[in-house]
Amino acid sequence: GESVGLHLPTLSVQEGDNSIINCAYSNSASDYFIWYKQESGKGPQFIIDIRSNMDKRQGQRVTVLLNKTVKHLSLQIAATQPGDSAVYFCAENNKDSSYKLIFGSGTRLLVRP
Amino acid sequence: ETGVTQTPRHLVMGMTNKKSLKCEQHLGHNAMYWYKQSAKKPLELMFVYNFKEQTENNSVPSRFSPECPNSSHLFLHLHTLQPEDSALYLCASSQGWDRASEKLFFGSGTQLSVL
Repeated sequence: GESVGLHLPTLSVQEGDNSIINCAYSNSASDYFIWYKQESGKGPQFIIDIRSNMDKRQGQRVTVLLNKTVKHLSLQIAATQPGDSAVYFCAENNKDSSYKLIFGSGTRLLVRP
Repeated sequence: ETGVTQTPRHLVMGMTNKKSLKCEQHLGHNAMYWYKQSAKKPLELMFVYNFKEQTENNSVPSRFSPECPNSSHLFLHLHTLQPEDSALYLCASSQGWDRASEKLFFGSGTQLSVL
């Protein structure tokens, strides 16, 4: 079946360091991936997305890497700041899911001052 | 602000009550969604509306009744809920359901507690 999961439920990093949040997906037919950030008391907020015809995409302080061979997705945050503390979700969609986004369980990022 | 507004932010209701959640989007989108977010579980899609027509009902119990009067407004009517229905209910919108790379824009949610 389809599933999107996260390797680490909680990640603690020092302020200023880089953070890497990982995500595994099981459906090799997935062709669109997206990362969301959810702060306490707020809804998920779009961070960055990537299509399956790309391996890497960069935004402001964030980079998403896609490895289709091992069905792995990662979100890299450069120079992590206290405001980056949140739960991060990856999501995928594909034709099998009728392009409905399938969300992972989330990883909590804690930034130590 | 994401352009998606949900009210109320918090709701406590008894199992015999009837209440409604409201969502409004100011993004000019054509699709609107209801999601349920429970502790330690992935986001669960409940309903999808595209151009005011319901296109998805993800096996949601009939005690949840959605209503979409226009592309900008979405309601979730609640009646005879169970304690296990306590969760954060999130509304989202997107440009249109048929695209393969739909970005969802979420509201802040309604935290529902059923006593």
